[in-house]
Order: sequence, then C-alpha cells, then structure tokens
Amino acid sequence: AQSVTQPDIHITVSEGASLELRCNYSYGATPYLFWYVQSPGQGLQLLLKYFSGDTLVQGIKGFEAEFKRSQSSFNLRKPSVHWSDAAEYFCAVGGSDQAGTALIFGKGTTLSVSS
Amino acid sequence: GAVVSQHPSRVICKSGTSVKIECRSLDFQATTMFWYRQFPKQSLMLMATSNEGSKATYEQGVEKDKFLINHASLTLSTLTVTSAHPEDSSFYICSARDPRAAMNTEAFFGQGTRLTVV
Repeated sequence: AQSVTQPDIHITVSEGASLELRCNYSYGATPYLFWYVQSPGQGLQLLLKYFSGDTLVQGIKGFEAEFKRSQSSFNLRKPSVHWSDAAEYFCAVGGSDQAGTALIFGKGTTLSVSS
Repeated sequence: GAVVSQHPSRVICKSGTSVKIECRSLDFQATTMFWYRQFPKQSLMLMATSNEGSKATYEQGVEKDKFLINHASLTLSTLTVTSAHPEDSSFYICSARDPRAAMNTEAFFGQGTRLTVV
C-alpha cells in the first residue's frame, strides 16, 4: 500500500536550534517526494522536491532534505530555525505518472518555535 | 511556475444549500485535477480525481452524489457540495500537475476554500 508516515505529530524547537522532521514512505514505484509547509488557514507552499539525482536536495527558506532509499525516508532539515518557521509541515509522495497521479500526504508535523 | 487558482477562498452557507468551488489552472492545461479535503489539524485526504471530459474518480467513502465534480474544460474543474450540512464544513484544496513537463513535475495547489455550513 502507498503511504507516508510522519512519526512526529508535534515538535517544539528553540529559535536558532537545528530541526529535523521525519518522513517515511511506502511506494510501489519510483517515488517522487515533496515537502510542503502550510500556515494556519492557508494553502500549501512547496519547500522542496526530489525526483532523481543528488539525494540531498535544497529548498527554499534554508530547508534541505535527504532521500535515503534504503531507509525509505525523506527527512527535512534546517540548521537554524526562525520563529517564522512555525507552521504545519507535510511530506508527500507521488508517482512518475506525471499529471495523472495525486500526491499522498502524511498526517503532518506541527512545528512550534520557542524563544 | 504554474499557478492554480481556487475560488472562493471562504464561503459560509446555510444548511441544505449547495456551494460551488472553482479551480482553475492559469497557465497550463490540466487534463487531470485533484480535490482534497482537510479537517482541522489533519492531513489532506484525496477526495476525487477530476478528469476533463469524463467522470470523476472518487476515493472510497466519498459520496459522489454529494460532492459533484465537473471538469468541462482543460483549465477549470468545479466541486459542488450539494445539500450541505455542518459536517461538510472543512478546508477544500484543489491541485493539478503540469503535463507539459518532460520529466518531473510537482503538484500545484490552489489557495484552498474554507467552507462553513451553518
């Protein structure tokens, strides 16, 4: 079955500290992986994506993620968190069937940033 | 990049009435669009896949007679919540992937529609 697991429902990080949000996936074909961020009442903003090639991908706002096929993981990291990073983060997986495949989302991780 | 526009962003309707939500791809033609529903503090759940010129494909447990999807053109899909009830109150988001991309394409999301049924 195709699925995305985000083990951490809620994480609190001090401002300036590093961050890692976990994501594991189960997908029968070559996965395309995404991280999205959502602020309250807002739509989704793409942080980064992995399709192929270098397994360490850089995204916007200083985020990066590393694809580890052997662990079926695509963890999101940021070296120094800012208060504005507080939001809901979703990991998603899709297939290589370009336009015809919907993304499957994890349940999300709520990030709180303490001062 | 490609843009998907969703309208309205917020709507309040009375119980028993119907509400239509529009999803437009602004600079590409989308033969397929996706409708998601998001409950508070929860993830996005795929409701249905909207196919241009044909019937939508609904996910298990989604009432097709309640959530009517029409994809009459390559740039517009609509979701109509019929005979809305308070339990239909939710955040609805549409999405499309740009088929022009030769290889890899991300999904573009609309801004979402907050539906409140009173």
